[in-house]
Amino acid sequence: AQSVTQLDSQVPVFEEAPVELRCNYSSSVSVYLFWYVQYPNQGLQLLLKYLSGSTLVKGINGFEAEFNKSQTSFHLRKPSVHISDTAEYFCAVSDGNAGNMLTFGGGTRLMVKP
Amino acid sequence: DAGVIQSPRHEVTEMGQEVTLRCKPISGHDYLFWYRQTMMRGLELLIYFNNNVPIDDSGMPEDRFSAKMPNASFSTLKIQPSEPRDSAVYFCASKYGTGFGEQYFGPGTRLTVT
Repeated sequence: AQSVTQLDSQVPVFEEAPVELRCNYSSSVSVYLFWYVQYPNQGLQLLLKYLSGSTLVKGINGFEAEFNKSQTSFHLRKPSVHISDTAEYFCAVSDGNAGNMLTFGGGTRLMVKP
Repeated sequence: DAGVIQSPRHEVTEMGQEVTLRCKPISGHDYLFWYRQTMMRGLELLIYFNNNVPIDDSGMPEDRFSAKMPNASFSTLKIQPSEPRDSAVYFCASKYGTGFGEQYFGPGTRLTVT
């Protein structure tokens, strides 16, 4: 069985400040990791994914994440946030099944203040 | 492409009534997923289809829930009879091919059962 824990339910931050959203996972098999973003009243949109190779993954909108196998973490970072980044962010894991079934974390609400 | 289309966007019904949620996946996508999002349980996978065939329905909460995909461009999620604890946002997502392609989410249906 696999699970995802997002340690912070809410992260307030001022505009242009850096931010890190934390994600830890547990899995008994190989893992494939994802970050999705959900803007208000919308569906989820893929930000980035880690499948293999370089542990630093770059995504859309200036976000990046680092896979750390020893710490079972996949934290999301952005060096300078904008008001428009205000949204809910979900970390997810897949065990590689053909359908790419995802197990999601509880989400972190990023609130960017002017 | 118009993206994944869900209808209705909002549904308010009384306990005991039948509810049908609808989804039109992106043309050409061969995987379709139904998710439920609640404050208490987060985002949960209910069921997914491949080429219109249900592959994994282990997330369907109970017999009151059923899902069908009669053709490649249409799927339904039915709740009968509905209960207040079914109140949630229900998302449909579609994906092309095996492997780790992006799941594209619809805007969701917000269901309220009174």
